[in-house]
Amino acid sequence: KQEVTQIPAALSVPEGENLVLNCSFTDSAIYNLQWFRQDPGKGLTSLLLIQSSQREQTSGRLNASLDKSSGRSTLYIAASQPGDSATYLCAVIEETSGSRLTFGEGTQLTVNP
Amino acid sequence: NAGVMQNPRHLVRRRGQEARLRCSPMKGHSHVYWYRQLPEEGLKFMVYLQKENIIDESGMPKERFSAEFPKEGPSILRIQQVVRGDSAAYFCASSPIRGAGEQFFGPGTRLTVL
Repeated sequence: KQEVTQIPAALSVPEGENLVLNCSFTDSAIYNLQWFRQDPGKGLTSLLLIQSSQREQTSGRLNASLDKSSGRSTLYIAASQPGDSATYLCAVIEETSGSRLTFGEGTQLTVNP
Repeated sequence: NAGVMQNPRHLVRRRGQEARLRCSPMKGHSHVYWYRQLPEEGLKFMVYLQKENIIDESGMPKERFSAEFPKEGPSILRIQQVVRGDSAAYFCASSPIRGAGEQFFGPGTRLTVL
């Protein structure tokens, strides 16, 4: 059974700091990995999608890497801003299911002005 | 291009009543997924549907829950005889293709059972 773990569970940083969020998964047979952002009481916003054949994806100040063989992904946020405060979730789609996302518990990020 | 639409955004039901949650996927998306987020817990997959077909319902509770995605109209998640433990946020997602396709989420329906 696929398990997704995110470390740390919570993170508080001053504005301007570069930071790394970690995600690990137990079964490396995945189609893709997706990073999301969730604001309190709101839905999920897709940030980056990495296909299993890719090593990384970039969007603005965000960079996500994937090491499929070791079951790890990192989300790098450069020059953090208070508006980045949210819960960040990573999720994978396994090859065996081909459909359902398995989510981690999330990292709750607070960026202080 | 409108995103995934869900309604209602908030739904209050008394124990024993029925709850109907609606989801309209993004234009051009034929794959719909439902997920549930219980209080203080992570998101869990419930069911995956294509038009008129349930493809994967491995995450659906065995009783009281059902889902459909008719040829015309939105996808419906139906919960019969709700109990307090059904109180949660229910999210719908859609994608244009299966598997490697990116899933886009709606704003969710927050169900409260009194």
